[in-house]
Amino acid sequence: GAGVSQSPRYKVAKRGQDVALRCDPISGHVSLFWYQQALGQGPEFLTYFQNEAQLDKSGLPSDRFFAERPEGSVSTLKIQRTQQEDSAVYLCASSLDQFVGQGGYGYTFGSGTRLTVV
Amino acid sequence: GIQVEQSPPDLILQEGANSTLRCNFSDSVNNLQWFHQNPWGQLINLFYIPSGTKQNGRLSATTVATERYSLLYISSSQTTDSGVYFCAVALANNNDMRFGAGTRLTVKP
Repeated sequence: GAGVSQSPRYKVAKRGQDVALRCDPISGHVSLFWYQQALGQGPEFLTYFQNEAQLDKSGLPSDRFFAERPEGSVSTLKIQRTQQEDSAVYLCASSLDQFVGQGGYGYTFGSGTRLTVV
Repeated sequence: GIQVEQSPPDLILQEGANSTLRCNFSDSVNNLQWFHQNPWGQLINLFYIPSGTKQNGRLSATTVATERYSLLYISSSQTTDSGVYFCAVALANNNDMRFGAGTRLTVKP
């Protein structure tokens, strides 16, 4: 597609509920990233995929967070047993570069999913 | 990890004014990007600029990698420039882009 598409745009979950957030990157983009942005702060890295391989998941805050990209295109970020501290905007970005900036392309971000846990 | 500091944290301008936003970082980086997050939350890539100077319309950016800082210049500001400007950096062959806390710009008509 023309841009990075994320769904749903907004999600309200009851504490303890599982949620799944979807990211559809730009077609042909090798790299895919998930970021978490708390209110009033900059995005924080969660995880990175190169095609279908998850090469870095060091930013995932707990084992309740799980991400996958089984066919190297669409990715899903799953949060199990949501807690109030999980409330944030979850941003997905993709890049044509294998490594950010390698070819000078940089990131393209989606509009994000705003998750509110009540 | 890399530390990224942006200044000023907040900036209020009258329409038509010029401004300079600064990003300092703690390590030698190979990747640096400037983003604008509009009031609707969309992050727009403004510049990929690990070194040197680039210009795009009323915006320009300069990165002096050896001195570990980057500057974003906004000239003849418009109300649509309002939002938060983020600097993000990464080491070579590393995809863990670290964002600063941002500069919140408000341009008043």
